[in-house]
Amino acid sequence: DAGVTQSPTHLIKTRGQQVTLRCSPKSGHDTVSWYQQALGQGPQFIFQYYEEEERQRGNFPDRFSGHQFPNYSSELNVNALLLGDSALYLCASRPQGAYGYTFGSGTRLTVV
Amino acid sequence: KNEVEQSPQNLTAQEGEFITINCSYSVGISALHWLQQHPGGGIVSLFMLSSGKKKHGRLIATINIQEKHSSLHITASHPRDSAVYICAPTDSWGKLQFGAGTQVVVTP
Repeated sequence: DAGVTQSPTHLIKTRGQQVTLRCSPKSGHDTVSWYQQALGQGPQFIFQYYEEEERQRGNFPDRFSGHQFPNYSSELNVNALLLGDSALYLCASRPQGAYGYTFGSGTRLTVV
Repeated sequence: KNEVEQSPQNLTAQEGEFITINCSYSVGISALHWLQQHPGGGIVSLFMLSSGKKKHGRLIATINIQEKHSSLHITASHPRDSAVYICAPTDSWGKLQFGAGTQVVVTP
């Protein structure tokens, strides 16, 4: 049984560009959350998707947007990249109504 | 003020020693996760608990909801336990709020 799959694992972008990160949740999980983890810090909540809608959002600017598809997979889009967006982006999934999370291995984004 | 406080921030132990990591939180929660993160980023959920105590192998997690405090214990520590351990309370919406993590190094 595959866990949470994130792609790509690493990527390098130039300041001002746009990026899309992808996440496939664990089988049976319908709720997906995204987190940003800067180097040496704990993860920060970006947003959570359920039933193809953003249900909760953390303190992130509108440059950060997302989407959830009917198969529960999700995308995180970041526009107008800043150097400070360089971080590990983590996706976590769970079944709605339960609190047990499964995490992906993350996407390491470097903005130069 | 951070709503989730972990201590210590860093911990070095010799193989075989007993390790305790503490977590205090100020928010109302529905559950609390203890997570392990190795270099390279992957996070593994060790425990999710909402009351009492859970044990998996050499790992024990406890929580006191009234005191808003949880602890993670590692018995007979081993170098492969070296990792960052993160406390993450969960609110009623299922949102995780992460502590800053405790860097654990176990030396042979």
